[in-house]
Amino acid sequence: QQPVQSPQAVILREGEDAVINCSSSKALYSVHWYRQKHGEAPVFLMILLKGGEQKGHDKISASFNEKKQQSSLYLTASQLSYSGTYFCGTGPNSGNTPLVFGKGTRLSVIA
Amino acid sequence: GAGVSQSPSNKVTEKGKDVELRCDPISGHTALYWYRQSLGQGLEFLIYFQGNSAPDKSGLPSDRFSAERTGGSVSTLTIQRTQQEDSAVYLCASSVFGLVGETQYFGPGTRLLVL
Repeated sequence: QQPVQSPQAVILREGEDAVINCSSSKALYSVHWYRQKHGEAPVFLMILLKGGEQKGHDKISASFNEKKQQSSLYLTASQLSYSGTYFCGTGPNSGNTPLVFGKGTRLSVIA
Repeated sequence: GAGVSQSPSNKVTEKGKDVELRCDPISGHTALYWYRQSLGQGLEFLIYFQGNSAPDKSGLPSDRFSAERTGGSVSTLTIQRTQQEDSAVYLCASSVFGLVGETQYFGPGTRLLVL
């Protein structure tokens, strides 16, 4: 089942913060976050496991609420380079099961 | 190689023709995925190969689409009798499962345009 991301799109000014949410109707084992810049392939940002919180690149971090079956990606003091589409991918278990990606959140950071 | 490579990078074909898209995964990666991404849209899962297991073909949109992976490495996605709605970017990703799960590494994609 495809996770649901919100918002679908957001526009920020440099220095502002943003939160992108990823929710699933199924129990989650892991949540993966990717960023895709325009015209490029998605690039891995970070992975979170049940109950874990991991800080990734620059001022981008994420949390994983196993109970709510939800993950949030936090972008702090956004930079122009943060612009792109952010995808979450969810894995239902620790086995060799393919990730299911959400539809993405388009983030635009303007000067 | 340094990363996942795909060829061709761009392909223009006429409606009704067959096309083959190639993916060279990262050496040692046991899992390989094909996705389709239409303009401004998300990642549509097509097919998944994991080691010697039977592939998960649940995402293939029709029987015109097929894929194979030879020797557990290179994969080819074939689209027969292409239609205009097949126009999209086809992304390949390879991955390996570690202690913290899986990380997928994407290739640059093949942009397919069906006229």
